[in-house]
Amino acid sequence: DAKTTQPPSMDCAEGRAANLPCNHSTISGNEYVYWYRQIHSQGPQYIIHGLKNNETNEMASLIITEDRKSSTLILPHATLRDTAVYYCIVRVGGNTDKLIFGTGTRLQVFP
Amino acid sequence: KAGVTQTPRYLIKTRGQQVTLSCSPISGHRSVSWYQQTPGQGLQFLFEYFSETQRNKGNFPGRFSGRQFSNSRSEMNVSTLELGDSALYLCASSPQGGPGETQYFGPGTRLLVL
Repeated sequence: DAKTTQPPSMDCAEGRAANLPCNHSTISGNEYVYWYRQIHSQGPQYIIHGLKNNETNEMASLIITEDRKSSTLILPHATLRDTAVYYCIVRVGGNTDKLIFGTGTRLQVFP
Repeated sequence: KAGVTQTPRYLIKTRGQQVTLSCSPISGHRSVSWYQQTPGQGLQFLFEYFSETQRNKGNFPGRFSGRQFSNSRSEMNVSTLELGDSALYLCASSPQGGPGETQYFGPGTRLLVL
């Protein structure tokens, strides 16, 4: 499975956009990029996923580079409740359902 | 729809005992995966069940086992507990377990082994 690299921590001011980068240089053509977050040892919460195109939902936007070797999760207006560990995961295709979590980015949103 | 539920939420056991954890997936979901989260190793995949069959397995010893019932509910069992088994055990479900599907996680069961 492809591996991901994320910065260990980031800060963001409340109300500003949080841009969380992820490198996945060994990604294959059939592998999706998923983002989850985990707030204080609760179960991980799904945020967004994509294959090739940029995606947007009510929580965030996902920007995937044209070569698919990196992506950025954008939280457009960060709030204190967005403080969490964010995981970028590259999920292999096929009929197996397995998420390989890295160490994630700890995002701290400050007032 | 109700989310993924896990029982119990907290558990304390002693070394050598065994434990069974339960997971009820989202209604209609047939794939159930289990993960272990520890401070040292992070989130690690244990195994995945689909239609009562183990379809994928992570790198854990045979003391860790699981099963899935015809209603898609799943249990995992850990025998001969060790101190290092203290962890948050997470269950996730998805409709078929396909690559474009989303896995939804439950709140987890926190196991403490003394």
